[in-house]
Amino acid sequence: SQQGEEDPQALSIQEGENATMNCSYKTSINNLQWYRQNSGRGLVHLILIRSNEREKHSGRLRVTLDTSKKSSSLLITASRAADTASYFCATAGGSNYKLTFGKGTLLTVNP
Amino acid sequence: DADVTQTPRNRITKTGKRIMLECSQTKGHDRMYWYRQDPGLGLRLIYYSFDVKDINKGEISDGYSVSRQAQAKFSLSLESAIPNQTALYFCATSDGTGGKYEQFFGPGTRLTVL
Repeated sequence: SQQGEEDPQALSIQEGENATMNCSYKTSINNLQWYRQNSGRGLVHLILIRSNEREKHSGRLRVTLDTSKKSSSLLITASRAADTASYFCATAGGSNYKLTFGKGTLLTVNP
Repeated sequence: DADVTQTPRNRITKTGKRIMLECSQTKGHDRMYWYRQDPGLGLRLIYYSFDVKDINKGEISDGYSVSRQAQAKFSLSLESAIPNQTALYFCATSDGTGGKYEQFFGPGTRLTVL
């Protein structure tokens, strides 16, 4: 069964706007990762946040982690049409290397 | 990413046939994974291998088997394919050294079982 659950399932915004996606999970984790998937293609790793971190930045991406609420959020600032993709959170629990993926958020950025 | 390749990219087969999906990587990673993706269900782990002699079942291993022929090769077999195994299959790798946990995915194999 999925550990992470993304919210919303789908998000449509205009170019230049910010996009926020949320991920909730059920059990304790060692790290949480976000991946992007363009339609029908392989997943690409975006960013990893460890359980003892609260916030991390990478370019236009900002990830937060609240272990007390078992939730994470991914913020994409100044979105572009090329950001259109599905975004998945993945959690690593007992083993840092074995990931459990959520069902994903489909982001559409309209030009 | 050409570092992780999967063959075939597309396959249509019939119920009861034996199918093998292959994965090769040039990243030098020790850890390899097989996932399936169904619409609306995200990715689910089928099998994973932390080195050539270490094979582990994932969340949905029934109906599948794997072989780790070498550090760089990890194949997935469907001994007798059934229609509900129609899905997009992904191979992934990760580096078990130095605290790197991100996974690198192949382009996927679209399998249709009629």
